[in-house]
Amino acid sequence: DQQVKQNSPSLSVQEGRISILNCDYTNSMFDYFLWYKKYPAEGPTFLISISSIKDKNEDGRFTVFLNKSAKHLSLHIVPSQPGDSAVYFCAARLGGGADGLTFGKGTHLIIQP
Amino acid sequence: KAGVTQTPRYLIKTRGQQVTLSCSPISGHRSVSWYQQTPGQGLQFLFEYFSETQRNKGNFPGRFSGRQFSNSRSEMNVSTLELGDSALYLCASTSGVQETQYFGPGTRLLVL
Repeated sequence: DQQVKQNSPSLSVQEGRISILNCDYTNSMFDYFLWYKKYPAEGPTFLISISSIKDKNEDGRFTVFLNKSAKHLSLHIVPSQPGDSAVYFCAARLGGGADGLTFGKGTHLIIQP
Repeated sequence: KAGVTQTPRYLIKTRGQQVTLSCSPISGHRSVSWYQQTPGQGLQFLFEYFSETQRNKGNFPGRFSGRQFSNSRSEMNVSTLELGDSALYLCASTSGVQETQYFGPGTRLLVL
């Protein structure tokens, strides 16, 4: 049973526009959420995170929104740049000292010139 | 600060063999987690070590094991390799409990 779902395997966005990547989760015990970006043949790179006590976190061009009632989070990238083309993974962590992350299957973001 | 390093980067083995992968965390980080990435299953948590003790374990068979040394370096071992063990194995380190995990470049294992 997939507890973290990224329902869009790929997303194509024009350079300069907003990219919105979505993630849904089923386990209400998750208390921390992270977004990672991954290029081929490299490990995931941490982008931004959000605690379950917040509904928004911003870092430069990246903003993560959390809707706990809907068990949904999204990553907004504004403006999108060619270097943003990569696979984006949503991850969630349980509270209580458990450190293993549960990942979604990723969304391949393609930024069109 | 140097990032997480993993060795080797690429490995080819045959079915039935065993393999040991190594991970050096970011200096000062005491927690190391291991993940397996395959096209079908995505990124899956294997286990996590903190201060030389396995703290959490994912849903993998006993053929997958690990350990952590006093300098926080970690190794994972897969015995009796199967074709389905072909994957990218990623290591991540954190500075403490429930901090952000930073990943290494991974070890690409191919089992023939």
